[in-house]
Amino acid sequence: GENVEQHPSTLSVQEGDSAVIKCTYSDSASNYFPWYKQELGKRPQLIIDIRSNVGEKKDQRIAVTLNKTAKHFSLHITETQPEDSAVYFCAASIADKLIFGTGTRLQVFP
Amino acid sequence: DVKVTQSSRYLVKRTGEKVFLECVQDMDHENMFWYRQDPGLGLRLIYFSYDVKMKEKGDIPEGYSVSREKKERFSLILESASTNQTSMYLCASSPGSLNTEAFFGQGTRLTVV
Repeated sequence: GENVEQHPSTLSVQEGDSAVIKCTYSDSASNYFPWYKQELGKRPQLIIDIRSNVGEKKDQRIAVTLNKTAKHFSLHITETQPEDSAVYFCAASIADKLIFGTGTRLQVFP
Repeated sequence: DVKVTQSSRYLVKRTGEKVFLECVQDMDHENMFWYRQDPGLGLRLIYFSYDVKMKEKGDIPEGYSVSREKKERFSLILESASTNQTSMYLCASSPGSLNTEAFFGQGTRLTVV
C-alpha cells in the first residue's frame, strides 16, 4: 500500500534561517501532495499543496517542490519566525485517500 | 467556513467498554476520515467513507468499526476498548472531487484505563 516517509523528525533553526522538510512516497499513482501545520493543542491545517502536473509552488515564505520521477517532495520555509514553530505533516493522496508522513517538529529559536 | 466537530475533546473509558466517537461536518462533504495520532507515528488512517453507508478500511482498522448513516455524520466505534487504543483521534472531511483539502476536527483524546 501507499507509504510516506518524512525527514527529519525534529528540526531546530535560528530565527531568519531557512527550514527544509523532505518526504518520499511509494505509489506512483499519487497525484496530490498537501502539507499541514499543527500547532500545539490544535488541529492540523493546510498550509500549501501541490498537484502532480506542477513542479513547484510558492506562497510568500513557503514553497513546495515535487520530483515525480524520484517520488520526492519537499517543504521550504524561508526567513523563519518563532510562530512557524509547530509540527508539519506531509501527505500523498491516491483516489481521495490521504496518507500522512510521521511529522516534523520544527522549533524556531529567537 | 468549514466546520468539523467531534463530540468530545477528552474521554476516559475502561478496558472492555464499547466506545463511540462522533464526528459531524457542515459542508456537505462526500468524504470523511478517521485518523489516529501517536507521537512518532504521525497520522494513521483507520477508516474512511466516500458516501453514506459506504466504508473502506485504512491502514489500521483492527479493533475499530465505523458507521455512516447520514452524510454529515461519521462515527468511530471501539467494540471493546483496550489500553493500546489510548490515543488522539482526529476526524476529517473533504469534498467529493479529487485532490482537495481535508478539514480536521479538533481531536478527541481517548484514555483507556
